[in-house]
Amino acid sequence: AQSVTQPDIHITVSEGASLELRCNYSYGATPYLFWYVQSPGQGLQLLLKYFSGDTLVQGIKGFEAEFKRSQSSFNLRKPSVHWSDAAEYFCAVGDSGGYQKVTFGTGTKLQVIP
Amino acid sequence: GAVVSQHPSRVICKSGTSVKIECRSLDFQATTMFWYRQFPKKSLMLMATSNEGSKATYEQGVEKDKFLINHASLTLSTLTVTSAHPEDSSFYICSGTDGVNTEAFFGQGTRLTVV
Repeated sequence: AQSVTQPDIHITVSEGASLELRCNYSYGATPYLFWYVQSPGQGLQLLLKYFSGDTLVQGIKGFEAEFKRSQSSFNLRKPSVHWSDAAEYFCAVGDSGGYQKVTFGTGTKLQVIP
Repeated sequence: GAVVSQHPSRVICKSGTSVKIECRSLDFQATTMFWYRQFPKKSLMLMATSNEGSKATYEQGVEKDKFLINHASLTLSTLTVTSAHPEDSSFYICSGTDGVNTEAFFGQGTRLTVV
C-alpha cells in the first residue's frame, strides 16, 4: 500500500530565508506525487505535481520540488519565504492512474517569523 | 485548473440531526468523487470513493449507513451525515476527477460542528 511520511510536524523559518519541507513516499511503481497547501480553515490548493519527466518540478508561488527515486523523496523548496506562506503543507502520493485516490502525509505546519 | 464548489463551508447542527454537504464540479464532469475527513491536527483520511451512477465504495472503518454518499449526476455528489453526534465534528473535503486529467480537484471543505 502506498504511504507518505512527512517527518517534520512543525517548522519555523524567518521571512526571506529558504525553506525545505521533507517528504518520503512508499509506492510500488512510478509514483504520482503532489504537494498541497492548506491555509487555516481552507481547502487544499495544489502547489505542484510530478508524474514523469523532469525530476525538478516548478509550481505556483515560487515553490519547486525534486523527485529523487533513489531516496524515495519529493522535497518541497522555496528560496525565499514570505509571511503569506505560513500554512500547512501536505505531500501526497496518487494511485496508478494519478487521479485515483490520494494518500496524504500528516502535514507540516509552517510558521514564518518576521 | 478545474473548479469544485463545496457547500456549505461551515455548518453547526444539533446532535441527532442530519446534515448534507454538496460538492459540485463547475466546469468539468466529475466521473469520480472522493470524500475525505480531516481530524484536528491530522491529515486527510479518505472516507469513500463514488463513481457517477454507482454505489460508493467506503474505506475500512467508515460507516456507510452513517455517511451516505450520493453521486447521481456528473456534476454533483453529496455526503449526508446521518444522526450526527459530536464525534462527527470534523472538516470534510471532497475532490473530483473527470478520469482524463491526472489529478483530482478539491473543494474548499466543510467545517461541521455538532453540538
